[in-house]
Amino acid sequence: DAKTTQPTSMDCAEGRAANLPCNHSTISGNEYVYWYRQIHSQGPQYIIHGLKNNETNEMASLIITEDRKSSTLILPHATLRDTAVYYCIVSIYNQGGKLIFGQGTELSVKP
Amino acid sequence: GAVVSQHPSRVICKSGTSVKIECRSLDFQATTMFWYRQFPKQSLMLMATSNEGSKATYEQGVEKDKFLINHASLTLSTLTVTSAHPEDSSFYICSARAPNLGYGYTFGSGTRLTVV
Repeated sequence: DAKTTQPTSMDCAEGRAANLPCNHSTISGNEYVYWYRQIHSQGPQYIIHGLKNNETNEMASLIITEDRKSSTLILPHATLRDTAVYYCIVSIYNQGGKLIFGQGTELSVKP
Repeated sequence: GAVVSQHPSRVICKSGTSVKIECRSLDFQATTMFWYRQFPKQSLMLMATSNEGSKATYEQGVEKDKFLINHASLTLSTLTVTSAHPEDSSFYICSARAPNLGYGYTFGSGTRLTVV
């Protein structure tokens, strides 16, 4: 599975958009980009995933560059409850695909 | 939908005893489940892939005789930590692929194991 690189930590003002970058320069054609977040002492929460098209759901938007070597997770209006560690993961989309977690980005949303 | 339930949420056991952790998919069938371990201030580490009706696949460095995995049905996988020691104290989390997430992965709420 391809590796990802994320900033260790980021701050964001409450109510503003949080843009979390992720580099995955060695991603292969059949690997999806997944985003999860983990609030302290809880299981990771699914946010969004995509292959090459931009995706949007009720939680966030995922922007994947045309060459697929990087992506950005956008939380449009961050709240204090969005404070968490955000993980960007790439994985093969099949039954054998597994999620290998990196260190993630610790996002702090401040009042 | 796509809920994975883990039980117990917390457990304290004595050194040398065994502890079983259950992972259930409540509203979908999961032929494959995954087990992770997380130490304080660290990321999740994949321990093994649990396959219904067959042997689990363990990641390199994970002792299969110590961490016994059984996936006897399409909705239940269990992790048994055998002869637990204090260094096995950790946060254990299971995961399964969920059909309503476009086959994204959904996670249980985790089990905090403390070995005394």
